[in-house]
Amino acid sequence: AQKITQTQPGMFVQEKEAVTLDCTYDTSDPSYGLFWYKQPSSGEMIFLIYQGSYDQQNATEGRYSLNFQKARKSANLVISASQLGDSAMYFCAMRGPPGGSYIPTFGRGTSLIVHP
Amino acid sequence: DADVTQTPRNRITKTGKRIMLECSQTKGHDRMYWYRQDPGLGLRLIYYSFDVKDINKGEISDGYSVSRQAQAKFSLSLESAIPNQTALYFCATSDPHGGGDGEQFFGPGTRLTVL
Repeated sequence: AQKITQTQPGMFVQEKEAVTLDCTYDTSDPSYGLFWYKQPSSGEMIFLIYQGSYDQQNATEGRYSLNFQKARKSANLVISASQLGDSAMYFCAMRGPPGGSYIPTFGRGTSLIVHP
Repeated sequence: DADVTQTPRNRITKTGKRIMLECSQTKGHDRMYWYRQDPGLGLRLIYYSFDVKDINKGEISDGYSVSRQAQAKFSLSLESAIPNQTALYFCATSDPHGGGDGEQFFGPGTRLTVL
């Protein structure tokens, strides 16, 4: 069974600073994918970044990067140069292998507040 | 136009009433999902469907039923609503074989309140 753990219910960061949101996972599948989604106060879920289990490089998308440490089973999201608009809930999720059930599992989320 | 739409966006109903939440998508994805979100609990899967003839229970299906009327439509029903079904409900789609990463595409959510 897949499991995602986000241990930080809330995080605070000063505008323009970097912040790391933690995510650990557990799975017995060698092939899996890891995702981060953002949920602003308006409620929609926005896909941010993806990391495949066999990807050699850490994924990056603009100011977002995923610090993937496979041996530690962690997939932390790093947001560089935080902006006020980054204040939101952030969810880590994983899916199993394409040939399997592929059902995504979500963590409980981390609330990020960016201070001016 | 949005790729995944949900109706209604907000609904207030009374205990014991039957209610249906509808989801439509124009992404052409076979896989569709219904989640509920409660504060501090993240997203929990209610039902999912891999195609029109394939419907599966998720983590918290009790009290809910679904119908996949077409590839593009997936409805969630609460046969007899109760207050602890008050939550934000999301519909999502995915296409793991379409060349992407298998990420999910979410509708805007339906905020349901059961009094």
